[in-house]
Amino acid sequence: DIVMTQSPDSLAVSLGERATINCKSSQSVLYSSNNKNYLAWYQQKPGQPPKLLIYWASTRESGVPDRFSGSGSGTDFTLTISSLQAEDVAVYYCHQYYNTPLTFGGGTKVEIK
Amino acid sequence: DVQLVESGGGLVQPGGSLRLSCAASGFTFSSSWMHWVRQAPGKGLVWVSRMDTDGTTTTYADSVKGRFTISRDNAKNTLYLQMNSLTAEDTAVYYCVRAGGGNFDWGQGTLVTVSS
Repeated sequence: DIVMTQSPDSLAVSLGERATINCKSSQSVLYSSNNKNYLAWYQQKPGQPPKLLIYWASTRESGVPDRFSGSGSGTDFTLTISSLQAEDVAVYYCHQYYNTPLTFGGGTKVEIK
Repeated sequence: DVQLVESGGGLVQPGGSLRLSCAASGFTFSSSWMHWVRQAPGKGLVWVSRMDTDGTTTTYADSVKGRFTISRDNAKNTLYLQMNSLTAEDTAVYYCVRAGGGNFDWGQGTLVTVSS
């Protein structure tokens, strides 16, 4: 199984400041035949299902604000919120879909400082 | 718009069974791989099972293998999860998830509580 390790577990950032979340996979999720990283990022607020933010490691889902960006390749990935807004308070998860079992990071709780 | 509506959750005693359903609309259900993912209260996301477009290929997490069965009815645009021999560790919100082209669509989830 591919283990997804997120850091930090929680993060307090001032409004308007940058938030950075890291995700490391125990093996590469880069598929060489199409050069795509099978890595997604989700945002989850209490009582709601996960909301897809980023897929293929860096492709923003339609409707997602451009302050959210994803980067990285292979085993190391980053989700960046360039200017934190109050509505961004949530738990964020990385997710690999390179193979089954699909696996998720443990989550990073983002709060306002 | 893609819509996935889960139903069938509820309170069940340990050792009991439950069948979840996921009604799909807004996309070509018969062309989509489908998954179940669960989330225990206050915990993270855990993949449960997946099925290919015509039901030929199914895969399960080790924790549910032999107890849960995923199935689909493409004529009814519905995905199912039959859950048997339930234990307290199966208590969770169960999400129906559509996989398509690298992105994923999630339902609102249905809560399953296993308790005496």
